[in-house]
Amino acid sequence: GQQVMQIPQYQHVQEGEDFTTYCNSSTTLSNIQWYKQRPGGHPVFLIQLVKSGEVKKQKRLTFQFGEAKKNSSLHITATQTTDVGTYFCAGLDSGAGSYQLTFGKGTKLSVIP
Amino acid sequence: ETGVTQTPRHLVMGMTNKKSLKCEQHLGHNAMYWYKQSAKKPLELMFVYSLEERVENNSVPSRFSPECPNSSHLFLHLHTLQPEDSALYLCASSKGHQTTYNEQFFGPGTRLTVL
Repeated sequence: GQQVMQIPQYQHVQEGEDFTTYCNSSTTLSNIQWYKQRPGGHPVFLIQLVKSGEVKKQKRLTFQFGEAKKNSSLHITATQTTDVGTYFCAGLDSGAGSYQLTFGKGTKLSVIP
Repeated sequence: ETGVTQTPRHLVMGMTNKKSLKCEQHLGHNAMYWYKQSAKKPLELMFVYSLEERVENNSVPSRFSPECPNSSHLFLHLHTLQPEDSALYLCASSKGHQTTYNEQFFGPGTRLTVL
């Protein structure tokens, strides 16, 4: 079945440093979604990417979808303590005939003030 | 507040108990989902309902029994659980499920502990 790998599993950064998490799928994706889960909270949708090579920005967050639609990245510029949490990617492989999202294990971000 | 509520927020039960988790969405969505979140594991999709009909069942043990009486409510009935079933159970909803635009709106989850 489809697998979605996400690295790194953990990242500790000093406040103000940049942060990047990477997501790789074993199959070509129809789209990829990104979620953030704060400690003790639930996943909250951040963005969806659909087109090959797509780049979207939300303030300090930049999301990219690879040309082959098998990988994606989330980059945070100048991290703040409010960025703390776990970031998940989730890929949709409609080619499998199922519209089921497959989540990565997530990258847990800690920001040292 | 995402418009998806779950009760109870915390549940402790013995292996012989029977309990139910409840989820309600106020977003007018047609699809609802149950996910299991364990430590160090990715979010695992358990069940998908679309317009009250079950469309996905990912090899979940029969001790978990879902029920969707209408498009706004989803239940997960639990019986004779095992300690390894202890996890955060998350409900989510989306506009539809057979669409590439199926952003998931998650509830706060029920933290389940099985003794």
